[in-house]
Amino acid sequence: DSGVTQTPKHLITATGQRVTLRCSPRSGDLSVYWYQQSLDQGLQFLIQYYNGEERAKGNILERFSAQQFPDLHSELNLSSLELGDSALYFCASSASSDGGTEAFFGQGTRLTVV
Amino acid sequence: QKEVEQDPGPLSVPEGAIVSLNCTYSNSAFQYFMWYRQYSRKGPELLMYTYSSGNKEDGRFTAQVDKSSKYISLFIRDSQPSDSATYLCAANNAGNMLTFGGGTRLMVKP
Repeated sequence: DSGVTQTPKHLITATGQRVTLRCSPRSGDLSVYWYQQSLDQGLQFLIQYYNGEERAKGNILERFSAQQFPDLHSELNLSSLELGDSALYFCASSASSDGGTEAFFGQGTRLTVV
Repeated sequence: QKEVEQDPGPLSVPEGAIVSLNCTYSNSAFQYFMWYRQYSRKGPELLMYTYSSGNKEDGRFTAQVDKSSKYISLFIRDSQPSDSATYLCAANNAGNMLTFGGGTRLMVKP
């Protein structure tokens, strides 16, 4: 167990809908990273938050947004969902802002858009 | 072309074999290189990371980086059926974004 908790584990929703994925980082970790894993694109970095502030942005669509709350948990919001958004979404956490090398991953949320 | 390339496999070996997993990368700015193991329907688990060129050993696992040829390797000695998983290499340039290879699926047969 990595100590990173993601909910829900599975999510099935219809096209056009909006969903929120939640992540609780390991105790003491200030950085949260979101990744998307699909069969064709592999594991891709979406966005990083450090202590409540956006720190780095990757290949995140404009329909997607994230935030990190004062208690350090993070939410990834996906809106106007398309079939192609079906994927595994992982959250990872690390202690420092540049700790991408030692980030610990959660178990992921499997999103299915129908 | 992806910045980090990895043969998807599957790679099938008998128990006890030495396994060699490899990646190539194109971004010369990469300084940190990681290997993750991912079991089916689980999150990636960090196995090892190395900085710049060189070797790093941890139990049955050895990570090797050759920056001159932009080549990353992971060797698994005395492979076990429990090592059956997808292995992902990743790299970054001391920033925050990890760039992953597509993963190699390894099967160790008893």
